[in-house]
Amino acid sequence: GESVGLHLPTLSVQEGDNSIINCAYSNSASDYFIWYKQESGKGPQFIIDIRSNMDKRQGQRVTVLLNKTVKHLSLQIAATQPGDSAVYFCAERGSSYKLIFGSGTRLLVRP
Amino acid sequence: GAGVSQTPSNKVTEKGKYVELRCDPISGHTALYWYRQSLGQGPEFLIYFQGTGAADDSGLPNDRFFAVRPEGSVSTLKIQRTERGDSAVYLCASSSMAVGAGDTQYFGPGTRLTVL
Repeated sequence: GESVGLHLPTLSVQEGDNSIINCAYSNSASDYFIWYKQESGKGPQFIIDIRSNMDKRQGQRVTVLLNKTVKHLSLQIAATQPGDSAVYFCAERGSSYKLIFGSGTRLLVRP
Repeated sequence: GAGVSQTPSNKVTEKGKYVELRCDPISGHTALYWYRQSLGQGPEFLIYFQGTGAADDSGLPNDRFFAVRPEGSVSTLKIQRTERGDSAVYLCASSSMAVGAGDTQYFGPGTRLTVL
């Protein structure tokens, strides 16, 4: 809800700049990873996903990078816009398809 | 088409009361998930349905929590003898699981439960 992100790390970027949000995951056996965007008062919105047999995947203005060696995931947003301001969560798929979410990063875009 | 819907959007109840939260998944999605999100944290898994059956209920915190999906579509999360610690946003998600369709989970807007 509107209080999501209250105690989360915050990344502040200038409008038009690129943003990089990082995430560490826990299970080396995880085979599927997803980035979600959550705006105040809304549910998580799917952005992009990547499977463990890939190390990079691109979408529209977004790129996800996966480094399995160090269990690290990143989300790159090109030409960040005010509408990108939200809390971003990475998630890994555990057993039985359940998602295990990271702690989240709040992205603030300065006009 | 329509996304995942959840009702009510907000629920305020008193400690000890019983509540039901409803989820309508995306039409045709066979998998349905419930998560709980506390203030400032990421969603935490509660239960996963494949069709009518609970394939994984390992996230339910205790036996006061129960969920059903009798016809393989709509699901209801039931909480008995609510406690103040149950206050959170309860999120529902669904996914297709069809071959070639992927298993991306799409979330509803959530139900904010407040236990006084």
